[in-house]
Amino acid sequence: DIQMTQSPSTLSASVGDRVTITCRASQSISSWLAWYQQAPGTAPKLLIYKASNLESGVPSRFSGSGSGTEFTLTISSLQPDDFATYYCQQYNSYSLTFGGGTKVELK
Amino acid sequence: EVQVVESGGGLVQPGGSLRLSCAASGFIVSDYYMDWVRQAPGKGLEWVGRTRDRARSYTTEYAASVKGRFTVSRDDSKNSVYLQMNSLKSDDTAVYYCARGPTSTTAPGAFDIWGQGTMVTVSS
Repeated sequence: DIQMTQSPSTLSASVGDRVTITCRASQSISSWLAWYQQAPGTAPKLLIYKASNLESGVPSRFSGSGSGTEFTLTISSLQPDDFATYYCQQYNSYSLTFGGGTKVELK
Repeated sequence: EVQVVESGGGLVQPGGSLRLSCAASGFIVSDYYMDWVRQAPGKGLEWVGRTRDRARSYTTEYAASVKGRFTVSRDDSKNSVYLQMNSLKSDDTAVYYCARGPTSTTAPGAFDIWGQGTMVTVSS
């Protein structure tokens, strides 16, 4: 299976901060990567697909980049609703895998 | 409104069986890949299995951790997908989410619609 490694596992930030989360794949997945946001007690929500495409309705402060094995999710100006856990997911192979998650918490 | 709603979770003893349901509305299930994802308490997301769409003959794939024990199936007349779970272990304790994947035309693709999840607890 393709392993997905996210860093950091926890990130402390303030409202208005620029935040970057990294996801690394154990082998090339081209651009077949998604990012999800999960608030406590709720289902995950799709933010970014195919590495850099913003899902409809998602604020433009979210952006994704990368290809191959290195990917990033950036939040340009952190808002109160953004304190949540973020997961990357590869869908390049028959066996889909998620990263371990990055919790964005209030500093 | 496009949505999926899971049901069927509960408490089951180790070695037991449970069948989860995922009822879709606002779209035709047979046109989409449908997946199950689980999340153990306090842990991350783990993909469980999928059924592809009618164009791909509803073929299935499973995570190694559940292969041979879990089965994903569909009932197009009910616009629903199911997860049959057998030989349950304590490690299977989790919230189980149903998620909409791509179509055979758009595959590969991410999960754009998720249900609220249903809790499965495996314990004696």
